[in-house]
Amino acid sequence: GESVGLHLPTLSVQEGDNSIINCAYSNSASDYFIWYKQESGKGPQFIIDIRSNMDKRQGQRVTVLLNKTVKHLSLQIAATQPGDSAVYFCAGGGDMRFGAGTRLTVKP
Amino acid sequence: EAGVAQSPRYKIIEKRQSVAFWCNPISGHATLYWYQQILGQGPKLLIQFQNNGVVDDSQLPKDRFSAERLKGVDSTLKIQPAKLEDSAVYLCASSSPGLAGELFFGEGSRLTVL
Repeated sequence: GESVGLHLPTLSVQEGDNSIINCAYSNSASDYFIWYKQESGKGPQFIIDIRSNMDKRQGQRVTVLLNKTVKHLSLQIAATQPGDSAVYFCAGGGDMRFGAGTRLTVKP
Repeated sequence: EAGVAQSPRYKIIEKRQSVAFWCNPISGHATLYWYQQILGQGPKLLIQFQNNGVVDDSQLPKDRFSAERLKGVDSTLKIQPAKLEDSAVYLCASSSPGLAGELFFGEGSRLTVL
């Protein structure tokens, strides 16, 4: 999650299905994580955040799960819509370093 | 509320030339970040300012990149001389302590070095 990849992993889902995007982080001292959505030609946009004292946080159609034991975050999007097609990044730590991202494509 | 403003949106230069990008953060946001995003990668933090002081510039290539935020408001990122590998989108973001670290991004400045 905090290392930069050479290319983006991709996830393709059918409209209406649920999506799960994963992120691994390396710094066990990170106490705050954010998921961002980046549409083509735009800057990243905040989706949801979670503090390290929580395991789960829910928003509108999105849920973030945090597993501190294996240093893993996931973003779940319910009833995925075409407008959800974008690149999703997790970011964490006090310096807000970004992971490599996952490109989500929603098929109609 | 106005968002983070960046200019120019696009810039094409030849290698060894110089370029400057400007960022005006959201009013009242004390923290300002510059990120470099190469095509197909996540944003990479270049420098973080708190007011007009540098918090983190460990990933800024200081031999060619410089950034300043003299009055603690807007900021300029400069590249001189540019290399081909500097082709990227340069994103500016700002945050307020009261918003628990959430970053607000501008639309970015896309640099192409030929």
